[in-house]
Amino acid sequence: DTEVTQTPKHLVMGMTNKKSLKCEQHMGHRAMYWYKQKAKKPPELMFVYSYEKLSINESVPSRFSPECPNSSLLNLHLHALQPEDSALYLCASSHGLAGGTDTQYFGPGTRLTVL
Amino acid sequence: AQKITQTQPGMFVQEKEAVTLDCTYDTSDPSYGLFWYKQPSSGEMIFLIYQGSYDQQNATEGRYSLNFQKARKSANLVISASQLGDSAMYFCAMNPREDNYGQNFVFGPGTRLSVLP
Repeated sequence: DTEVTQTPKHLVMGMTNKKSLKCEQHMGHRAMYWYKQKAKKPPELMFVYSYEKLSINESVPSRFSPECPNSSLLNLHLHALQPEDSALYLCASSHGLAGGTDTQYFGPGTRLTVL
Repeated sequence: AQKITQTQPGMFVQEKEAVTLDCTYDTSDPSYGLFWYKQPSSGEMIFLIYQGSYDQQNATEGRYSLNFQKARKSANLVISASQLGDSAMYFCAMNPREDNYGQNFVFGPGTRLSVLP
């Protein structure tokens, strides 16, 4: 089973709102990722958690705050977003293997609209 | 720096025909993985196929095969017997480092494939 789930599927929020995106996997993967994808562009890496520790933060604004409560769950807390943050947010997970073999499996994404 | 190039922004193919999507890459790392993902309009990125840099055989998964030419640094995806459901954006990606855990997953710009009935 190579399933990664994400909730909600769609989210509309105002610039003063606080919301959270959730991601879950039950494949025993030890690395989890958040990506942002704008229309007609490839995904851009935001954060990487490896063994529940934040290992990569690609200079993402502090209005995005990741959290990894356990090895199966990944959250992305959103606060005071801007309209340009509207995008598809993808979660992915992988075994956390070295050697270039680490396949990432993606969830269905959350389409976020900031008004 | 590692880079992926996909020179075909859009491709058309007739249903039941084969199609090749091009991917070239640039890396100085000796060990790397190459991946293809499909993204339908629904948004989900679907893993299709993987090729390791030291693999002697070209990877195959059902109707998907990867034409890997290491010396030319190319990893083209071949889809045989195209179906209408194959219409999607296709991304080539590379995991270039021997000692990381996917942090440097590099994506190409994508090719939009349209299958015509």
